[in-house]
Amino acid sequence: DVKVTQSSRYLVKRTGEKVFLECVQDMDHENMFWYRQDPGLGLRLIYFSYDVKMKEKGDIPEGYSVSREKKERFSLILESASTNQTSMYLCASSLTVSYNSPLHFGNGTRLTVT
Amino acid sequence: DQQVKQNSPSLSVQEGRISILNCDYTNSMFDYFLWYKKYPAEGPTFLISISSIKDKNEDGRFTVFLNKSAKHLSLHIVPSQPGDSAVYFCATALAGNNRKLIWGLGTSLAVNP
Repeated sequence: DVKVTQSSRYLVKRTGEKVFLECVQDMDHENMFWYRQDPGLGLRLIYFSYDVKMKEKGDIPEGYSVSREKKERFSLILESASTNQTSMYLCASSLTVSYNSPLHFGNGTRLTVT
Repeated sequence: DQQVKQNSPSLSVQEGRISILNCDYTNSMFDYFLWYKKYPAEGPTFLISISSIKDKNEDGRFTVFLNKSAKHLSLHIVPSQPGDSAVYFCATALAGNNRKLIWGLGTSLAVNP
């Protein structure tokens, strides 16, 4: 079974702090994703990575950056956290980019920025 | 504007009965659809998918029906079990590619014993 592990379940940070959200997958998947989930807005893609050091912007990349130095690890970085980045963040991985290659999600990190 | 709409935020059914979760989409160019299930405090898990060359796909108790002319799909769960209580998300994959999923807001299903 694929396991996607997000390092923190809950995180509270102050406005202006630099925040790192870490995600590790154990199935040698090429593709990794960062989503945020907000009430009334659903799941929105922030960034996608299809290989080490390779990334693509998703629908809402503003205010975020990512790092993928190793295949199994994909980090989401908030350079200067703001209150509108308070959200549930979900990491996922998939074997291929085909629609029927399921996304395997972690359990999420609930970030609160005060 | 939501391109994938799940108009029922919640649904309650009795154990053993059929659960029908509905999803409407706006763009007739969408041609790959997926359902994910999410339990509280967990990430979504893939349930079933369908491409537009089919109008039905079945996996055990779960069947997805696609009506392209109505731009509508539905997930049927028969028989429903209490363990099916979860939030169900409908999504479409643009160009058959899971990098570009457009998600509905979800329907919370409660299956009562």
